[in-house]
Amino acid sequence: GAVVSQHPSRVICKSGTSVKIECRSLDFQATTMFWYRQFPKQSLMLMATSNEGSKATYEQGVEKDKFLINHASLTLSTLTVTSAHPEDSSFYICSARREQGLYGGYTFGSGTRLTVV
Amino acid sequence: AQSVSQHNHHVILSEAASLELGCNYSYGGTVNLFWYVQYPGQHLQLLLKYFSGDPLVKGIKGFEAEFIKSKFSFNLRKPSVQWSDTAEYFCAVNGPLFSGGFKTIFGAGTRLFVKA
Repeated sequence: GAVVSQHPSRVICKSGTSVKIECRSLDFQATTMFWYRQFPKQSLMLMATSNEGSKATYEQGVEKDKFLINHASLTLSTLTVTSAHPEDSSFYICSARREQGLYGGYTFGSGTRLTVV
Repeated sequence: AQSVSQHNHHVILSEAASLELGCNYSYGGTVNLFWYVQYPGQHLQLLLKYFSGDPLVKGIKGFEAEFIKSKFSFNLRKPSVQWSDTAEYFCAVNGPLFSGGFKTIFGAGTRLFVKA
């Protein structure tokens, strides 16, 4: 149980186009999901916290108009990279909170490698 | 197939007890290794990382980890835990892809509960 499906696993897009990444909890409801990105030789950096039915909370320095997050249901959150540029090329990964309560555990998706050419 | 295995899903310790969380991975090629912690209600934070050099890595809050290449392991240790260490701990492996670029794989996490 507690599976998080993230799609696509890899995407190559042209500069200026938009890309949508999906993060879906398959067998549980996730009121909270986190979106992270990772550059080579660095650790994960939190981009935003996505809460079902409300606006996402973005970390400082993350452009909310560029990285659109929609958490319209308890099992799906999407990250759309709008007008992508080569510097947006990165590894993006989501995690979903699988249990309620203070000590709720988290499950990670398999990640998406975005390459903007 | 590439994978990361964390041996214990739940660990309960008393304060001042020693901690060791196991992490084994399967990934061809040179890898970078991470341990992250997620405190209740918060997002992921980096505890420590190994890229190269001394296989014994020291991180924040008294944590350390040892990379044993022959065993494909990167176990996390702390000599004396505190109640505030109650959290979920994730081991992650970052490695190259044949097609170029890199990928990060997470273990399933170990939930640590420290009794006061």
